[in-house]
Amino acid sequence: DAGVIQSPRHEVTEMGQEVTLRCKPISGHDYLFWYRQTMMRGLELLIYFNNNVPIDDSGMPEDRFSAKMPNASFSTLKIQPSEPRDSAVYFCASRTGTIYNEQFFGPGTRLTVL
Amino acid sequence: GQQVMQIPQYQHVQEGEDFTTYCNSSTTLSNIQWYKQRPGGHPVFLIQLVKSGEVKKQKRLTFQFGEAKKNSSLHITATQTTDVGTYFCAGDAGGTSYGKLTFGQGTILTVHP
Repeated sequence: DAGVIQSPRHEVTEMGQEVTLRCKPISGHDYLFWYRQTMMRGLELLIYFNNNVPIDDSGMPEDRFSAKMPNASFSTLKIQPSEPRDSAVYFCASRTGTIYNEQFFGPGTRLTVL
Repeated sequence: GQQVMQIPQYQHVQEGEDFTTYCNSSTTLSNIQWYKQRPGGHPVFLIQLVKSGEVKKQKRLTFQFGEAKKNSSLHITATQTTDVGTYFCAGDAGGTSYGKLTFGQGTILTVHP
């Protein structure tokens, strides 16, 4: 298996633009997580899905952020409009539904908003 | 909400010295996991602890889970330059939030040859 796939790996955009980050989880994994990592705030969980259904979005910073999982093999995280404070590395992770199982992280998308 | 505190934030050691990072949760955990992130990389799973008082070893790494299932530690014996990176603990409170991990701030380890 190729592992969790994220695209793009790097994104540079200007304030006010829409940004869409993409994730393909490992096949057969029931859970998908979106995290944001910054030096100041560390690794924060934004939202997670179970069987394509959003379970907990309490970490989504504000209405500018939205996430979807239209099927078991694809998820998007969208920021509209983007702001400089959104600059961070965004990780997608997936895991199976088996109890006590680890999360597998993708390589991340480094987002810079100018 | 649940908080996971991790100390120290940074640790600089000479190669061959030991290293320990500590993790403390504000709530009792179902299980705790440890991850390592190399510079420029992504977090990679190291181990999971489930039982109260559990101790697990992986070569030079020793992981402990406290009796109350609220704290944990990772100890590395005789560090090597390959141990460089950030070590995170991540707590799973279980119950209705099963599968959701709360990560500590991480301990950044540098090893001087």
